[in-house]
Amino acid sequence: EVRLLESGGGLVQPGGSLRVSCAASGFTFSTYGMTWVRQAPGKGLEWVSGVDGSGATTYYGDSVKGRFTISRDNSNNALYLHMNSLRVDDTAVYYCAKAPTPGPIHYMDVWGKGTTVTVSS
Amino acid sequence: IVLTQSPGTLSLSPGERATLSCRASQSVSSNYLAWYQQKPGQAPRLLIYGASSRATGIPDRFSGSGSGTDFTLTISRLEPEDFAVYYCQQYGISCSFGQGTKLEIK
Repeated sequence: EVRLLESGGGLVQPGGSLRVSCAASGFTFSTYGMTWVRQAPGKGLEWVSGVDGSGATTYYGDSVKGRFTISRDNSNNALYLHMNSLRVDDTAVYYCAKAPTPGPIHYMDVWGKGTTVTVSS
Repeated sequence: IVLTQSPGTLSLSPGERATLSCRASQSVSSNYLAWYQQKPGQAPRLLIYGASSRATGIPDRFSGSGSGTDFTLTISRLEPEDFAVYYCQQYGISCSFGQGTKLEIK
């Protein structure tokens, strides 16, 4: 069974940093692009970042560009999102999602349950 | 690309037909348009990709259509479990989501 399990969320002060992780299982991880999507409380979905299967190509949404970094460890089937200079409006549930191809941007056919990041003083 | 979904809320009864719209600010290349369903407290679930292809395990009462800038998700006969929020997503130029349509029981 294909599974994605996010972890690492929590409470952080504005201006702080946090890394969230996604553990993948049930598929050949390095073969597929991966994505982070977030959802602020009571709001819609926002695409955050995508990475290709090799980890060499990454893309970011305008609201996080220069502050967030996506990376992956294919030897450990793990996806990461390093978040710096966090702002109150970064507060959201962060979902990890799998693409059906190796590319960094596509639709998402499998989603994790999400991890909650709260930015507050 | 900005995606605008309408209506914001759709109130219907079980057994009725639902038609949800997604309009793009510019043409979506190769019909790279997907639809997702999200229920409260759950992650989104893929319904439709490539504008009209159903994802694995999705009932055939769900169908997608459209091209260019105008896309539609149709649910032919609403079941009680279909009441949820629906999002469209384009993946032709970068990636973006619509703001969602809430389908509620009338």
